[in-house]
Amino acid sequence: AQSVSQHNHHVILSEAASLELGCNYSYGGTVNLFWYVQYPGQHLQLLLKYFSGDPLVKGIKGFEAEFIKSKFSFNLRKPSVQWSDTAEYFCAGFGNEKLTFGTGTRLTIIP
Amino acid sequence: EADIYQTPRYLVIGTGKKITLECSQTMGHDKMYWYQQDPGMELHLIHYSYGVNSTEKGDLSSESTVSRIRTEHFPLTLESARPSHTSQYLCASLGLAGYEQYFGPGTRLTVT
Repeated sequence: AQSVSQHNHHVILSEAASLELGCNYSYGGTVNLFWYVQYPGQHLQLLLKYFSGDPLVKGIKGFEAEFIKSKFSFNLRKPSVQWSDTAEYFCAGFGNEKLTFGTGTRLTIIP
Repeated sequence: EADIYQTPRYLVIGTGKKITLECSQTMGHDKMYWYQQDPGMELHLIHYSYGVNSTEKGDLSSESTVSRIRTEHFPLTLESARPSHTSQYLCASLGLAGYEQYFGPGTRLTVT
């Protein structure tokens, strides 16, 4: 069965700190992975996605993620966070016509 | 910005009332989804549809029902609302290429 897990439930960082949010997946077959962001009071938006090819994918707002097949991981990174990055981040995988979400990581950036 | 709409955005109703949450998209997507999300928690898939006249139950059991009579419209109905139904309900559709889901703004439901 497909599953996605996120290690960190709540991360607190200061502005300009580097960010890495963990995501592990368990899938059979083709892997389609996503990171979504939900800013306070707003709807879910796609940050980036991986289907195939270059395992390092770049998304919007300076985010990137690396697909490491041997570790079943798809961690989200940003070299220098801003206060406006405060949000909920969800890792997700697509399979069997459905998107399966991780539990989410709440990111709080302290000015 | 994706063209997927949900109404109402906020709803407070009493126990036992029947309600319908509306979701519509103008992108011509066949596949649509309903998720339930409690504040600060993960999203749970409760219903999905492959197209007109297709509806499936999701991973999380729900007392709600859905219908898909038109491609652009995927309403969710609660016949008799209860306080346990208090949550946020998110509607989404699947893009024609790339497996990207587009989300609506959500309906925050409170049942008193």
